[in-house]
Amino acid sequence: DAKTTQPNSMESNEEEPVHLPCNHSTISGTDYIHWYRQLPSQGPEYVIHGLTSNVNNRMASLAIAEDRKSSTLILHRATLRDAAVYYCILRDVRSGNTPLVFGKGTRLSVIA
Amino acid sequence: DTGVSQNPRHKITKRGQNVTFRCDPISEHNRLYWYRQTLGQGPEFLTYFQNEAQLEKSRLLSDRFSAERPKGSFSTLEIQRTEQGDSAMYLCASSLDQYSNQPQHFGDGTRLSIL
Repeated sequence: DAKTTQPNSMESNEEEPVHLPCNHSTISGTDYIHWYRQLPSQGPEYVIHGLTSNVNNRMASLAIAEDRKSSTLILHRATLRDAAVYYCILRDVRSGNTPLVFGKGTRLSVIA
Repeated sequence: DTGVSQNPRHKITKRGQNVTFRCDPISEHNRLYWYRQTLGQGPEFLTYFQNEAQLEKSRLLSDRFSAERPKGSFSTLEIQRTEQGDSAMYLCASSLDQYSNQPQHFGDGTRLSIL
């Protein structure tokens, strides 16, 4: 799986939008962009994934750059419960559901 | 959906002892994964199963580690002759099938502390 680069940490005020960036300059055409997050004392949980088009679900939105070399996870209104480590992971669709390769992720702090 | 269940949640043991962890995946999921996570790091893959077949083992999985998934349901991870460096969170995940876009569902882990 190709590598991703994320900031170590970010901070947001409660009820404001949060944009979490991820760079993946060596992404291949068959790599999907997946996001997971890990709340304190819990296992990671799936957030969202996409290939080329922007994606929305109940948890977040994923904005993918036109050249696919970067993406942004958007939390529309941060809550205290969104304080977590967010991981951006590339998954090659040709590999099947092989183990995830996690980096260090971005630690998001939400301030009340 | 009862989620992935891991037991015990915490395990404290003396160096040199054997420990065994259990993972119960989501019932219809045929893939099961074990990861290890140390403080400040993302989870690292240890091994994974497709039904009862162990498909791959990471180089992190020394010969003191063994994992099984009899009958393709629950899985156990055993560590023999534990060492200080084995102290970590051990996470289990499961997924519905072999397609990469299926999300992996994680349990809340077993935290192992070696005295």
